[in-house]
Amino acid sequence: QVQLQQWGAGLLKPSETLSLTCSIYADSLSDCFWSWIRQAPGKGLQWIGEINHNGKTNYNPSLGSRITVSLDTTKSQVSLKLTSVTAADTAVYYCAREWYYGSGEKFDYWGQGSLVTVSS
Amino acid sequence: SSELTQDPAVSVALGQTVRITCQGDSLRGFYASWYQQKPAQAPVLVIYGKNNRASGIPDRFSGSRSGNTASLTITGAQAEDEADYYCHSRDSSGNHPSFGGGTKLTVL
Repeated sequence: QVQLQQWGAGLLKPSETLSLTCSIYADSLSDCFWSWIRQAPGKGLQWIGEINHNGKTNYNPSLGSRITVSLDTTKSQVSLKLTSVTAADTAVYYCAREWYYGSGEKFDYWGQGSLVTVSS
Repeated sequence: SSELTQDPAVSVALGQTVRITCQGDSLRGFYASWYQQKPAQAPVLVIYGKNNRASGIPDRFSGSRSGNTASLTITGAQAEDEADYYCHSRDSSGNHPSFGGGTKLTVL
């Protein structure tokens, strides 16, 4: 069984940096990716980035160089940083485990979600 | 706009069968997975792969694929199935995960 518990800042001003952390309670951090997914109010899901236990990252091109995902294997924590936020970054942010099975992938465990609001 | 296309809304009468579809080029080579999301809750994995139910998912949920279209079928829809459903696969480059825009299912 895997559990993901998130925390981080809820209210930001434009141009500030979003910072969220997700604690991973799992037998292993290997053999999968750890992803961040967001959902703007009333909108659909958007995958924004991922990292594996070797530090390999993959980001949604729409976020450019603003996003950094990191993994602290000693603390079993995955973190998200998003710089220069705007109102468009207002969303519920989820961490999730991403498991590949060859011909597909699945997000099989999700955190509880963290609402981040960007407002002046 | 999403590279995986879903109908925005679908309705079904209680106890009847409903199919929710997801179209995208990536689905020709990559299976979809499906998520159920109820208001103010995190998404829950429902179906993945050829037709695999996630743990705890009732057997009235099933999945299939034909060409560039993946489908989630609920056979005998229940009131508790009313939710938003999202498909997930890869974008057209195959390099990044991608979600469909979601389908709001109403059980009448």
